[in-house]
Amino acid sequence: DVQMTQSPSTLSASVGDRVTISCRASQDISGWLAWYQQKPGKAPNLLIYRASSLETGVPSRFSGSGSGTEFTLTISSLQPDDFATYYCQQYDSAPYGFGQGTKVDIK
Amino acid sequence: QVRLQESGPGLVKPSGTLSLTCSVSGGSVASSFWWTWVRQSPGKGLEWIGDVSHSGETNYVSALKSRLTISVDDSKNQFSLNLRSVTAADTAVYYCAALLGKGLDAWGQGTTVIVS
Repeated sequence: DVQMTQSPSTLSASVGDRVTISCRASQDISGWLAWYQQKPGKAPNLLIYRASSLETGVPSRFSGSGSGTEFTLTISSLQPDDFATYYCQQYDSAPYGFGQGTKVDIK
Repeated sequence: QVRLQESGPGLVKPSGTLSLTCSVSGGSVASSFWWTWVRQSPGKGLEWIGDVSHSGETNYVSALKSRLTISVDDSKNQFSLNLRSVTAADTAVYYCAALLGKGLDAWGQGTTVIVS
């Protein structure tokens, strides 16, 4: 099974900051990686698919990059609505596991 | 736009069977999605449980494989999860979701299941 490792687990930042979250797969997943945002009590929301494609309706301050086993989610200028938990997920080979999550909170 | 809605008992006794259904609207379970279940234990991260294709092919997480069945019902346009021999560790919010080529781009609102 492919193991997904996210870092950091918690990130404290201020509005306007550039934020970067990392995700590492235990083997090459050929770019089949998605990023999700989850707010308390809500279902996750797809932000990025295929490692770098922005889902329709998602603000352009969100971007994804990476290939092989190393991937990054970047928020170019953190907004108040962005304080949430973010997860990566590989969907190259089942089981399609998630990373442990990164909680972005207010510094 | 596919819309998903979970339903099922919110309370299950230990050693019993947890049964949930996800109703699909705005699309057909006979389409090319993989119909997926994800759960989230209290205060924890997301756990992919398994999925089923329109043709009934399934994938399951290794840790639950011996207790888990996911199936699809074309006639009712829904798919289901059955988890046997549950314990308190199976207490979680259970989400159904749809995977095409973009990741899980449609989710239900989630349903809380307590094993007690």
